[in-house]
Amino acid sequence: DAKTTQPNSMESNEEEPVHLPCNHSTISGTDYIHWYRQLPSQGPEYVIHGLTSNVNNRMASLAIAEDRKSSTLILHRATLRDAAVYYCILRDLVDTGGFKTIFGAGTRLFVKA
Amino acid sequence: EAQVTQNPRYLITVTGKKLTVTCSQNMNHEYMSWYRQDPGLGLRQIYYSMNVEVTDKGDVPEGYKVSRKEKRNFPLILESPSPNQTSLYFCASNTPLGNEQFFGPGTRLTVL
Repeated sequence: DAKTTQPNSMESNEEEPVHLPCNHSTISGTDYIHWYRQLPSQGPEYVIHGLTSNVNNRMASLAIAEDRKSSTLILHRATLRDAAVYYCILRDLVDTGGFKTIFGAGTRLFVKA
Repeated sequence: EAQVTQNPRYLITVTGKKLTVTCSQNMNHEYMSWYRQDPGLGLRQIYYSMNVEVTDKGDVPEGYKVSRKEKRNFPLILESPSPNQTSLYFCASNTPLGNEQFFGPGTRLTVL
């Protein structure tokens, strides 16, 4: 199973953009890149996903490298509420036998007021 | 409101006493999963189910059982709990091609 590598922690100032990196050098052609975040004392929540092209939604943007071996989650203006653990995950949606999901340790984002 | 519910939210038990953690979703999702979360290890998948009566092992299935008799429910069974199963457990659901997994609020289990 393809794995992801993320920094253990990052720090940001409130109202500034945050770029959270993820390396996935063994990604396969059918792996989608997903990002989830987990706020304190809550279950993970979906943030964004993509396959090859960059993606935007109301929460964030996802920039995917041309070779797909890395990606970056972009929070355009960090707020205190964005302080959480962010997980980068690969999911093979073609593999209908599973939906086996591997979460890494994630990146803990600290946001300073 | 679309949601995944788990019960109980907190449970303290003793070694060897069988227990069941229930999980229910109201979104008519085919796929459901159980995860455990431990400090420094992140979330690890225990079991998942692709539909009624179809289940498969995740990464850490030892010591756990699941069943999927109805689409909305996916209980996690610990036949003989041990202290190393003390953890925070999450249930999740999604559609087969769904990109978003919906997670429950978690069940904190302590086995003494």
